[in-house]
Amino acid sequence: DVVMTQTPLSSPVTLGQPASISCRSSQSLLRSDGITYLSWLQQRPGQPPRLLIYKISNRFPGVPDRFSGSGAGTDFTLKISRVEAEDVGVYYCIHATQFPHPWTFGQGTKVEIK
Amino acid sequence: EVQLVESGGDLVQPGGSLRLSCAASGFTFSSYSMNWVRQTPGKGLEWISYIGGGGHPIYYADSVKGRFTISRDNAKNSLFLQMDSLRAEDTAVYFCARDFSWELDYWGQGTLVTVSS
Repeated sequence: DVVMTQTPLSSPVTLGQPASISCRSSQSLLRSDGITYLSWLQQRPGQPPRLLIYKISNRFPGVPDRFSGSGAGTDFTLKISRVEAEDVGVYYCIHATQFPHPWTFGQGTKVEIK
Repeated sequence: EVQLVESGGDLVQPGGSLRLSCAASGFTFSSYSMNWVRQTPGKGLEWISYIGGGGHPIYYADSVKGRFTISRDNAKNSLFLQMDSLRAEDTAVYFCARDFSWELDYWGQGTLVTVSS
């Protein structure tokens, strides 16, 4: 099975400054259909996960444009251009593979304000 | 507006059973596959079960196969998870999540299941 490894596990950031989270997979995430299903979820304190970015770099409706995703193959990055207080939370990368075990999650990166 | 609301979480003894429900609204429920995902402090997020829009196919994670049963009632816009032979390691917050073309695009608020004597 694919293993998703996020770094760092914790990211203290100054308000207004950028933040970057890396997600590395143990094997290429490019599926046989030519699509890479690598997404990013945000989980604010006390809230459920929320889809931020899908298929590497597409923002889900309602997601601010300060969030961006990039990458290919085994290396992916989530960037927040200017961190705001509402961005505090845990961010997870998630990969959709094939059945019978379709979704694998990274271990999460906690973004907090310095 | 898409809404998913879980219920049924509780404190249960090891070996016991519990049935979780997820009430869906704001979309054509029968057109979407649905999932259960759980979250523990130690293991993070873990996908545990999938069901197609019409009730098939069905898949389970190895950790729950043979003990949990996913089902749905499209007439009532509801998703269910029957949990039997519960173990301490099943203690978690359980979320239902909608699948839109391999993306888990909407999640419920979650319901807490605690397995302890």
